[in-house]
Amino acid sequence: DAGVIQSPRHEVTEMGQEVTLRCKPISGHDYLFWYRQTMMRGLELLIYFNNNVPIDDSGMPEDRFSAKMPNASFSTLKIQPSEPRDSAVYFCASSLIRTGGGLHPTAFFGQGTRLTVV
Amino acid sequence: AQTVTQSQPEMSVQEAETVTLSCTYDTSESDYYLFWYKQPPSRQMILVIRQEAYKQQNATENRFSVNFQKAAKSFSLKISDSQLGDAAMYFCAYRSASNGNQFYFGTGTSLTVIP
Repeated sequence: DAGVIQSPRHEVTEMGQEVTLRCKPISGHDYLFWYRQTMMRGLELLIYFNNNVPIDDSGMPEDRFSAKMPNASFSTLKIQPSEPRDSAVYFCASSLIRTGGGLHPTAFFGQGTRLTVV
Repeated sequence: AQTVTQSQPEMSVQEAETVTLSCTYDTSESDYYLFWYKQPPSRQMILVIRQEAYKQQNATENRFSVNFQKAAKSFSLKISDSQLGDAAMYFCAYRSASNGNQFYFGTGTSLTVIP
């Protein structure tokens, strides 16, 4: 498996523009997490999905942030409009929890998207 | 919500020596998982080691081992025979086995390996 794939790796955009970050989880995984990493705040959980359904979006900082998971192999994190304080590295991670056949709780991370809003 | 605390923002170790990174967590649950992740300058988050709370035996992966003290809610990482490639940010993480299954991360420890 290719692992969790995020695109783009780097994104530079102007304040006020819409930004869309993309994530392809590992095939068969049923959990998907979006994190934001900054020097000041460390790793913050923004939102996570289970079987494509958002479970907890309490970490989404503002209404400018939205996330979707239209199917098991794709998720997006959108920021509209973007602001300089949104500059960070955004990680997507996926995981599988399977009962009965063994537990696989490890989260596997993508390489992250470094977002710079100028 | 569960909290994960890493009280050492920075650590350093001589190459070939042993270093221990500390992590404590707060939970009222009995069933959970604990992890150490490594983040080198490439920023890729890499799993180092995992511990299931129901297992009494400490997990070991080559030069990496943990000291899991469930009653004390402590989960330290020992790196033996440190190598230059071990230099990275290390994150301790907690995952509930039942309550939402989300992850909680510590603030990280930056490890420097001195040649």
